[in-house]
Amino acid sequence: VELLESGGGLVQPGGSLRLSCAASGFTFSSYAITWVRQAPGKGLGWVSTISGSGDATYYKDSVKGRFFISRDNSRDTVYLQMNSLTADDTAVYYCAKDMWQKPIYGMDVWGQGTTVTVSS
Amino acid sequence: QSALTQPASVSGSPGQSITISCTGTSSDVGGYNYVSWYQQHPGKAPRLVIFDVINRPSGVPIRFSGSKSGNTASLTISGLQTEDEADYYCSSYTSSSPYVFGTGTRVTVL
Repeated sequence: VELLESGGGLVQPGGSLRLSCAASGFTFSSYAITWVRQAPGKGLGWVSTISGSGDATYYKDSVKGRFFISRDNSRDTVYLQMNSLTADDTAVYYCAKDMWQKPIYGMDVWGQGTTVTVSS
Repeated sequence: QSALTQPASVSGSPGQSITISCTGTSSDVGGYNYVSWYQQHPGKAPRLVIFDVINRPSGVPIRFSGSKSGNTASLTISGLQTEDEADYYCSSYTSSSPYVFGTGTRVTVL
C-alpha cells in the first residue's frame, strides 16, 4: 500500500499548482483521500478530503474557493488544484488514505509529502 | 475549527511511562469515539499509532495505548524506548469538518 505525491515546487504569490497523489496496493475507490499540510516548523493541519466515490468533498475554510480536490478512480489518483496561492500556503503537503470511504476514522497510510513554496 | 490542545513537550527516561493529553470540545473529542494519534519523526511522514480512541494498527507496539474521558483523549507510552522520541499529534472527527489536529507534543527520551 503506497501513496506518492508530486507536483510541488516554487510558485509566485497569486499563482497556481496542481498536486497529484498516486495510489497503489489497495482498492482505491473504496477509500476517502485526505490532504494534510505542515508549514515549516509547525504542526499538522487538515486541508481537504474527497470521498471514495468522489461525490463528496470537504475543505478547510481558508482554502474554500481557492483549492479544488478531485479524483480519477480509473487512474488511482487524487488531485489538489491550488489557486491564488499566498505565503501562508507554504508547507509540505501530504496525501493520506482514510480508513473508510468517508472521512471519519482517521488515516492509516501516508505519502512522503511534496513541498510547496510560495514566494516572489 | 480550533486545534485540539496538547502539551508542547513531555519527557521521560527509558522504561518509564508517559501520557500525552489532547483536549477538545463536545463537538469533536467529546462527541465521537474517532480520535486518532500520529507519530512523526523529524523529516518523515506521520504514522498512525492509535485509531478509534483505543485501537492499535497492526505493527504498532503494544506499549502504545489510548483512552478518553469527556473532552480529553490521552496517549500513553509504557516502557519508553529511544525510538519513541518524536512528535505526536492527536486528531478527531468533528461535527463541522472531517478532521481537526492537535497542536502537537514533542516527546523527549532522557
